[in-house]
Amino acid sequence: DAKTTQPNSMESNEEEPVHLPCNHSTISGTDYIHWYRQLPSQGPEYVIHGLTSNVNNRMASLAIAEDRKSSTLILHRATLRDAAVYYCILANSGGSNYKLTFGKGTLLTVNP
Amino acid sequence: DGGITQSPKYLFRKEGQNVTLSCEQNLNHDAMYWYRQDPGQGLRLIYYSQIVNDFQKGDIAEGYSVSREKKESFPLTVTSAQKNPTAFYLCASSMGMGTDTQYFGPGTRLTVL
Repeated sequence: DAKTTQPNSMESNEEEPVHLPCNHSTISGTDYIHWYRQLPSQGPEYVIHGLTSNVNNRMASLAIAEDRKSSTLILHRATLRDAAVYYCILANSGGSNYKLTFGKGTLLTVNP
Repeated sequence: DGGITQSPKYLFRKEGQNVTLSCEQNLNHDAMYWYRQDPGQGLRLIYYSQIVNDFQKGDIAEGYSVSREKKESFPLTVTSAQKNPTAFYLCASSMGMGTDTQYFGPGTRLTVL
């Protein structure tokens, strides 16, 4: 299975941008990069996903390296409600990544 | 409102008892999943179902059983054969498998005494 590597934890200040990195050096050409986040004692929620191009939505932006071996989730202005565990996951319609594999993710702490 | 529900939120059982966790969705999704989460850990896949009347073992299926008799429902039974059943259990659904977004329920925290 293609794996992802994320820092265990990161810290940010409120209203500042946050860049959450993810390495996926063994990504295949048909793997999509998905990001989910999990608030304390809740189920994960979808944040964003992309294949090759950078993506933006109301929650965040996803910057994907040209060689696709890494990506960065960008929260433009962190709020206290963004404090959560962020998971970077590879997903594919076929092969071994059609089931999402959630690692330990990155615990984001947001300071007021 | 469309969504996925799990009940109960907290569940306590004595060791040796089987217990069934409920998961219902009204999103008209074909695929449903059960995950287990232990403190400080990621999610591990227990069982998944791509379509009604079909389900497959995930990475940690031993000691668990499921059924998928209706599209909306995917109950999980934690049997007495599961050696460490105390955990946070999460149910999810998606239109299909692979790249489709998964929608998660609020979870059930099971404590076996």
